Amino acid sequence: SQKIEQNSEALNIQEGKTATLTCNYTNYSPAYLQWYRQDPGRGPVFLLLIRENEKEKRKERLKVTFDTTLKQSLFHITASQPADSATYLCALPNQAGTALIFGKGTTLSVSS
Amino acid sequence: GAGVSQSPSNKVTEKGKDVELRCDPISGHTALYWYRQSLGQGLEFLIYFQGNSAPDKSGLPSDRFSAERTGGSVSTLTIQRTQQEDSAVYLCASSLGGLAVYNEQFFGPGTRLTVL
Repeated sequence: SQKIEQNSEALNIQEGKTATLTCNYTNYSPAYLQWYRQDPGRGPVFLLLIRENEKEKRKERLKVTFDTTLKQSLFHITASQPADSATYLCALPNQAGTALIFGKGTTLSVSS
Repeated sequence: GAGVSQSPSNKVTEKGKDVELRCDPISGHTALYWYRQSLGQGLEFLIYFQGNSAPDKSGLPSDRFSAERTGGSVSTLTIQRTQQEDSAVYLCASSLGGLAVYNEQFFGPGTRLTVL
């Protein structure tokens, strides 16, 4: 069955640095991958979607890469700010295309 | 515009009771999803509705769980004879179309269910 792993449960960095979060998956070749942000007590909020034929996608200070050979996605936040502190989730469609499979998330803390 | 809304925001119930959780998706969204998020766990898919198609119920953990979507809009998730392991945050999401068209999902704030 598909498996998705986000390597770090927690990541602490200083303001201004670049945060890099990792998402690995196995037993599957998804057509795309999504990243969401979740704040405590709230539902996830969509950030970016990257397709299998796209190597890189950018949105403001966010950058996502998708390496289908390594079966890995990297999520970067440049010039990080304390307001970026949250849990970041990667998600893949299941093989039936009826739901997203989510990783457990990486909790990012940016200190000023 | 209005986002996805869920009610109640919190529900405390006694073991063995039935509960109903409600989701109002974004108007015009044909796809609706229910997920469950337990403490320290990732989001777990429960059920998916797309238009008038038969729902994908493959994620429902037991026959105590059921869901329906009336008129292609509002959805209700029902848990019968609740157990303590049902305690979790139940999240509803909607999207313009199904996943096959790469749609982002819009999540509601969730219902926190506590079974005593």
